[in-house]
Amino acid sequence: EVQVVQSGAELKKPGESLKISCEASGYAFNSYWIGWVRQMPGKGLEWMGMIYAGDSDTRYSPSFQGQVTFSVDKSISAAYVQWSSLKASDTGIYYCVRLDALHSGLLRAFDFWGQGTSVTVSS
Amino acid sequence: DIVMTQSPDSLAVSLGERATINCKSSQSVFKRSSDKYYLAWFQQKPGQPPKLLFYWASTRESGVSDRFSGSGSGTDFTLTISSLQAEDVAVYYCHQYHTIPYTFGQGTRLEIK
Repeated sequence: EVQVVQSGAELKKPGESLKISCEASGYAFNSYWIGWVRQMPGKGLEWMGMIYAGDSDTRYSPSFQGQVTFSVDKSISAAYVQWSSLKASDTGIYYCVRLDALHSGLLRAFDFWGQGTSVTVSS
Repeated sequence: DIVMTQSPDSLAVSLGERATINCKSSQSVFKRSSDKYYLAWFQQKPGQPPKLLFYWASTRESGVSDRFSGSGSGTDFTLTISSLQAEDVAVYYCHQYHTIPYTFGQGTRLEIK
């Protein structure tokens, strides 16, 4: 059974650093992209980018390029997003999600979502 | 960026009636190499992560009720719920994964009338 479990809620101050995690199980982690999606309070979904677990190839949305860093630890099937200096505008729920693709390279969809990590940045 | 525009922003439908949500992409999301539209629909209930309903515009994800259907071509796509049930109250998003940055529609809030 595929499972994607994210780390718990965070309360941080502006300027602090943060790294949140997403642990996957039940599938071949190294063979899939993991995407990150932000949802600001009461708002819609924003695609931040994605990372290929096998070789850490990353694709960032221009809106998030330079603001966050994606990484993976293949040894524990985990993906991460980190901030070096948080801002109040980083407040929101962050979801990780698996991008399913067929062996032919045909993308299927973002199918398995984590439960979300709530990040609150406030002084 | 490909802009995804949903209509309406909110919708109230009586139980048992049909609900229709539209999504228009600013550019084609058709992938010639695979003959597929890279267009998905998600359902998000309060306090929950999004749930995949459809991919390739009209392929229903396993376990999704057949009251839901996805259709469309070109740059116009539709999500239809044939007979609204109480558990369908949610926000629905269309999503293109054809061109990076991938993008979502703004969401359509579906309520019971």
